[in-house]
Amino acid sequence: EPEVTQTPSHQVTQMGQEVILRCVPISNHLYFYWYRQILGQKVEFLVSFYNNEISEKSEIFDDQFSVERPDGSNFTLKIRSTKLEDSAMYFCASSSRAGTYEQYFGPGTRLTVT
Amino acid sequence: GEDVEQSLFLSVREGDSSVINCTYTDSSSTYLYWYKQEPGAGLQLLTYIFSNMDMKQDQRLTVLLNKKDKHLSLRIADTQTGDSAIYFCAESAASGGSYIPTFGRGTSLIVHP
Repeated sequence: EPEVTQTPSHQVTQMGQEVILRCVPISNHLYFYWYRQILGQKVEFLVSFYNNEISEKSEIFDDQFSVERPDGSNFTLKIRSTKLEDSAMYFCASSSRAGTYEQYFGPGTRLTVT
Repeated sequence: GEDVEQSLFLSVREGDSSVINCTYTDSSSTYLYWYKQEPGAGLQLLTYIFSNMDMKQDQRLTVLLNKKDKHLSLRIADTQTGDSAIYFCAESAASGGSYIPTFGRGTSLIVHP
């Protein structure tokens, strides 16, 4: 069964450093999403992406964040200058179309900022 | 903004029924979902219910929706140790054609023999 994969599973970085979290969505999916979950808190929507541009983003997704689909398979989330409060589990998801409830999630990348 | 609340833990004995409850605030919710997350895995859509339904049954799973009270529940019959996971309640309303879900914090279901 096709699945969304994410790398790395755990990333430790120092405050102020740039990180890139990588995702490989399901191959025939066209819509891509990033969510995050700070420990003990809710899963929060960050951004959705379609046709090489952001289609929707939340208030959390400020100028420190960017997304890119650098090739036909990867979807990345970049945090330019990490802060302690960026420590969280980051989930990538993909869906075959926008108006669908069925998003397929990856296993997540745990980001720890020290 | 929308809010989804659920209890954090539930412990049941193997073979018993589990009931996980959730409340939400958005009266324009179109879909309500239950996701399951097993250790080391992503969120898996377990089941969903459309807002004009009261109940949905799928094998051991029963979803009940009380739209008036904005209350959603997931009942797992004959709970097994393999059902131990975190269960996330979520809701979404159609917004410009997208259905971005708003999640709760997740309920950790612990099944003991």
